[in-house]
Amino acid sequence: KQEVTQIPAALSVPEGENLVLNCSFTDSAIYNLQWFRQDPGKGLTSLLLIQSSQREQTSGRLNASLDKSSGRSTLYIAASQPGDSATYLCAVSGGGADGLTFGKGTHLIIQP
Amino acid sequence: NAGVTQTPKFQVLKTGQSMTLQCAQDMNHEYMSWYRQDPGMGLRLIHYSVGAGITDQGEVPNGYNVSRSTTEDFPLRLLSAAPSQTSVYFCASRIDRGHGELFFGEGSRLTVL
Repeated sequence: KQEVTQIPAALSVPEGENLVLNCSFTDSAIYNLQWFRQDPGKGLTSLLLIQSSQREQTSGRLNASLDKSSGRSTLYIAASQPGDSATYLCAVSGGGADGLTFGKGTHLIIQP
Repeated sequence: NAGVTQTPKFQVLKTGQSMTLQCAQDMNHEYMSWYRQDPGMGLRLIHYSVGAGITDQGEVPNGYNVSRSTTEDFPLRLLSAAPSQTSVYFCASRIDRGHGELFFGEGSRLTVL
């Protein structure tokens, strides 16, 4: 059974810092990996999708990498801002599971 | 495009009542799914559909029914609500089973008393 783990569970940093969120998964036979953002009381917003054949994807200040063989992905946020405060979720598609398998998220607080 | 639209946003039920959560997408996606999100448990797949007329069970299907009569709509039915079904429910869709981004609705917060 595919399992997704996100570390750390919570993170609080001052504004302006660069930071890295980690995601690991147990079954490397995935189709793709997706990073989401969730604001309190809201739905999930897709940030980046990395296909299994890709190594990384970039969108603005966000960069996500994928190392399928080791079962790891990182989300790099450059020059963090208070508006980046949210819960960030990693999810993988495939690996023997129907739908996406989600990690439990990293709750990020950016201090002004 | 409206994306994925869920209704209602909030609902309170009494134990034993039934209800339907509605989900519609206007992106012509073949794959649609329902998740529930609970504190400490994360998001778990309830049911999914890979196309009109085709549905299948996910990780936590008990107590829920689904149907897919059109590409656009994928309602989730609670047959006899229980307090354990108190949760936030999300509908999501993507172009097909294994490919493309998964797009989520805003969620439906259900409380069962």
